[in-house]
Formats: sequence, C-alpha cells, structure tokens
Amino acid sequence: RKEVEQDPGPFNVPEGATVAFNCTYSNSASQSFFWYRQDCRKEPKLLMSVYSSGNEDGRFTAQLNRASQYISLLIRDSKLSDSATYLCVVNPGGGYGGATNKLIFGTGTLLAVQP
Amino acid sequence: ETGVTQTPRHLVMGMTNKKSLKCEQHLGHNAMYWYKQSAKKPLELMFVYSLEERVENNSVPSRFSPECPNSSHLFLHLHTLQPEDSALYLCASSQAPGQGEKNYGYTFGSGTRLTVV
Repeated sequence: RKEVEQDPGPFNVPEGATVAFNCTYSNSASQSFFWYRQDCRKEPKLLMSVYSSGNEDGRFTAQLNRASQYISLLIRDSKLSDSATYLCVVNPGGGYGGATNKLIFGTGTLLAVQP
Repeated sequence: ETGVTQTPRHLVMGMTNKKSLKCEQHLGHNAMYWYKQSAKKPLELMFVYSLEERVENNSVPSRFSPECPNSSHLFLHLHTLQPEDSALYLCASSQAPGQGEKNYGYTFGSGTRLTVV
C-alpha cells in the first residue's frame, strides 16, 4: 500500500462548482498533514495545513478523519485560477514533525476548471 | 533575496559531464531537502539534511552527491548521469518543529529542470 494515495484525476469542473478531493495515508502514527498546490512546471506551494479540528481558509476547507486515515479538501465556487495539481502531504514521523520533518507526497490530483 | 532560491533553472548535460545544482534558503530553517519529480510520479525524497548533517539518503545512486556546507546552502553534485535522471529537482527547507510545536511544512525553491542527453 502506498504511504499517501490520491485519485490522480483529472477533475474537470465548470466555474462555480464545488469539488472535493480525498487522500488516504497508511501510517496511523502520522500527525502532520498538508495540502500543497502545484501549477504546471512550477514548484509546489503550501495551500493549507490540516489539523485534528480541520481547517478553513476562504473557499477552501480541509478535514482530517483519523479513524479512517483520510484527508479531504473541498473547494467551493471554483475559479479558473484554481486549475492546478493538488498534492496531499503527510509527515509519517509521529509527533509534531520529528527531527527531520520528512514529508511524503501523494501523486497529486489534477483539477481543470472550465469556463 | 527571500525564501528558497535554486540555480540554475534549466540544465542540459551530457552523460559524461559534471555539474552542480545550488540551493540557498534565507528563512533561518534548520533542515533542507532534495526531491526529484519525474513525470506522472510523486515527489521522491532523495536527501535530508538536519543542521548540516545528512540524516537520510533514500538509496540514491552514487552519481548524485549532496553537500551541505552550512545551514543555508545545499548542493547536489551530478556526474555520469543517465537519461532516466532527467527530471525536475526541487530543493526545500523547513523548520523541523520541536515537541508540541506547530509544523509549517516546507518552502520549495523553483526547481532545476534537468535534461540528460
């Protein structure tokens, strides 16, 4: 089983739609979770962190389900500029990071928002 | 300069060449990383440096040789590469959190797109 697993997509949605991505992780001791966004031929950039209580930032909501070991990202009122690859990222080290803060990346989910 | 800077942005090299990738972080972080990103594959962790000490080497071939002279600089020395080594090489830094501290994740450089011919 992969350490971090995501549906690669692509997700093709019209502007204004709500879209949700899910991600599963294999290490039950994982404590830190993130969503990163990567535009074509660019570096990944932190979109938001995900903690036990979940996280909301404007149109974006991230949630964590520890019992089922999955993380979700919800994007409301999609914009053309949301088109990108969304990477699910997990620190499997246990505790808050560990000495090296090693992060494991999923393959990413490609989102294409259509006009 | 702010953030994490990588040079060069693009590199084309022959299989017999020797080149180096450079990364510099201006964030005061205590850990630095090299990742490889190939098409249709997840980011692959290559090396981890914590406080200038290499703490992880993920079975990377010896034709890749990292160097961390201080906490702000990281190099990846390349020699006798193969065409399958063509990829985007990303440097990142982070402040590894202590017990009970928040984890702010990584800041990435813009990457070096490497083509081996």
